[in-house]
Amino acid sequence: DTAVSQTPKYLVTQMGNDKSIKCEQNLGHDTMYWYKQDSKKFLKIMFSYNNKELIINETVPNRFSPKSPDKAHLNLHINSLELGDSAVYFCASSPLGGAGGEKLFFGSGTQLSVL
Amino acid sequence: SQQGEEDPQALSIQEGENATMNCSYKTSINNLQWYRQNSGRGLVHLILIRSNEREKHSGRLRVTLDTSKKSSSLLITASRAADTASYFCATGFHTGANSKLTFGKGITLSVRP
Repeated sequence: DTAVSQTPKYLVTQMGNDKSIKCEQNLGHDTMYWYKQDSKKFLKIMFSYNNKELIINETVPNRFSPKSPDKAHLNLHINSLELGDSAVYFCASSPLGGAGGEKLFFGSGTQLSVL
Repeated sequence: SQQGEEDPQALSIQEGENATMNCSYKTSINNLQWYRQNSGRGLVHLILIRSNEREKHSGRLRVTLDTSKKSSSLLITASRAADTASYFCATGFHTGANSKLTFGKGITLSVRP
């Protein structure tokens, strides 16, 4: 009955590979996000989707492509992985926009290591 | 650009003491939220304060907001070893559907038993 679940929890891969991270929320929320947390714990928003529509697309390389098949799912596909992509990626959801006063619910993170 | 900046970056206290963490930000906000992150886990929402509020309480948590100084503080009273975690402030600003929370770098709190 996990609210926001993302898989896999750990992902170790070689440079140049393509990988995907999946996220699902069962809270009925309209908005989902991807955040990247670097080794210094700095958490930066990458994308947000509201009811399957892309709302926020920060300055993220176009090797990163989010896909939302429905409002309960937001997947992240990464092409041609680079060493600098190593980080922890968090999926989150909120009832509306989050900044409007709604709290975010986070998944437990996917630790991506690019070798 | 990054909004919230917390200080100190790290705080170590004895169990039972109070922990005070500060957050400063640069632009207008609609609300400010505090989150906790245990090691290897996702962030968990603690408390939210809106821009027209000055102080809120939730259990052992007390948060203040001074919009004139663009700063907030989180006080944890009677700390416990289980409070050991990283704490993040996040500033919320929204214009219609384009809403987002911007997080600071976090404060590492260690509570010694």
